[in-house]
Amino acid sequence: AQSVSQHNHHVILSEAASLELGCNYSYGGTVNLFWYVQYPGQHLQLLLKYFSGDPLVKGIKGFEAEFIKSKFSFNLRKPSVQWSDTAEYFCAGHVNTGKLIFGQGTTLQVKP
Amino acid sequence: GAGVSQSPSNKVTEKGKDVELRCDPISGHTALYWYRQRLGQGLEFLIYFQGNSAPDKSGLPSDRFSAERTGESVSTLTIQRTQQEDSAVYLCASSQGAGVPEQYFGPGTRLTVT
Repeated sequence: AQSVSQHNHHVILSEAASLELGCNYSYGGTVNLFWYVQYPGQHLQLLLKYFSGDPLVKGIKGFEAEFIKSKFSFNLRKPSVQWSDTAEYFCAGHVNTGKLIFGQGTTLQVKP
Repeated sequence: GAGVSQSPSNKVTEKGKDVELRCDPISGHTALYWYRQRLGQGLEFLIYFQGNSAPDKSGLPSDRFSAERTGESVSTLTIQRTQQEDSAVYLCASSQGAGVPEQYFGPGTRLTVT
C-alpha cells in the first residue's frame, strides 16, 4: 500500500540546535515528495519539494531535504533552528492518481 | 494573487445536523482536493476533482460525505447527519492539474460536532 511515515511525532530542541526529521515513503512509480509546514494559527505552506534531479533540495528559511532512493527516505534538515521554526511539519508524497499522501506530522518545539 | 479560500473558518454543529463547507480554489487551477485533519493526526485525502472528469471519491469515509464542484470553480463538501467523529479541520487545496504535484492549501474549516 502507498504510505508515508514520519518517525518523530514530537521534537523539542533548543535554539541553534540542528534538526533532522525523518520521512519514509512506500510506493513505486514516479516519486514526488514534499515537506509542508504549518505554523501556529496559519495554514499549510510548502517548505520544499523534490521531483527529480539533484537529490539534495533546498527550501525556504534554510531548510533542506535529501532524497535517498535506496532508503526510500526524504529527511528534512536544518543546521540551526530558531524559535520561529516552532511548527508542525508534514512529509507528503504525490501519487499519479493526483492526491497527496501525508505522514502523521511532527510537532517541533524550539525553546528560546 | 489570491490563494485558496474556505468558509466558514469555524463551524459548530449539533450531532445529526447537516453541514456545508465551501472552497474557492486559485483562479485557473483545474484540480481541487479535499482533505481532513483530525486532532494529532496527518491529513487524510477525501476527494478530488479534475476538470470535467469524474471525481476520485476513494477517500470519502462514508456515504454521509459528498462533494460537488461547479465547473472549475467553487466546491462544496457536505456532511449529512454529522457525528462527533466528524470533528476535524477540513482542508481544501488546488493545483494547476492533477498531474501537477504542487498543491496550494486553504486555511481550513474547523468543524466541531457537539
